[in-house]
Amino acid sequence: DAGVIQSPRHEVTEMGQEVTLRCKPISGHDYLFWYRQTMMRGLELLIYFNNNVPIDDSGMPEDRFSAKMPNASFSTLKIQPSEPRDSAVYFCASSLIVGGGYGYTFGSGTRLTVV
Amino acid sequence: TQLLEQSPQFLSIQEGENLTVYCNSSSVFSSLQWYRQEPGEGPVLLVTVVTGGEVKKLKRLTFQFGDARKDSSLHITAAQTGDTGLYLCAGESRGSNYKLTFGKGTLLTVNP
Repeated sequence: DAGVIQSPRHEVTEMGQEVTLRCKPISGHDYLFWYRQTMMRGLELLIYFNNNVPIDDSGMPEDRFSAKMPNASFSTLKIQPSEPRDSAVYFCASSLIVGGGYGYTFGSGTRLTVV
Repeated sequence: TQLLEQSPQFLSIQEGENLTVYCNSSSVFSSLQWYRQEPGEGPVLLVTVVTGGEVKKLKRLTFQFGDARKDSSLHITAAQTGDTGLYLCAGESRGSNYKLTFGKGTLLTVNP
């Protein structure tokens, strides 16, 4: 398996524009997670899905953020409109199970810069 | 919110030295995981510990889970330049629906 695949690797956009980040999880993994990493706050969980259904979105910062998982092999995280404070590295991760210490497999991330 | 405090935040040592980094919390975890992250990449799982007092060894790396399952340590023997990276601990617990909560990490630099 190629692992968790994210695109794009880098995104530079102007404030107010819509940004869409994409993720392909590992085949057979039932859980998908979106994290955001900054120097100040570290890795923060934004939302996670189980079998394509959003389970917990309590980490989504505000209504400008939305995430979808239309099928088992694809998920998107959208920010509209984007703001400079959204600049961060966004990671997608997938896992076979949760609660058993199985561990997550992370993608390489999307570095987002909003100017 | 369950917090994981990692120390030290930064560590710079010479190749061949030993080091220990710590991960502490006031919360109890059902499992605790250690990841290493290299620049421009996502975190990669090193080990999972699930039993209080458990010790796991991965070549020159030794991981220990505290008896009360609230803390953990990572010890590296004879560090190599390839050990350079950000070391993250992460815990999951039933009380948080097994969501994985990360510490902010220890940035280790091993100098030749």
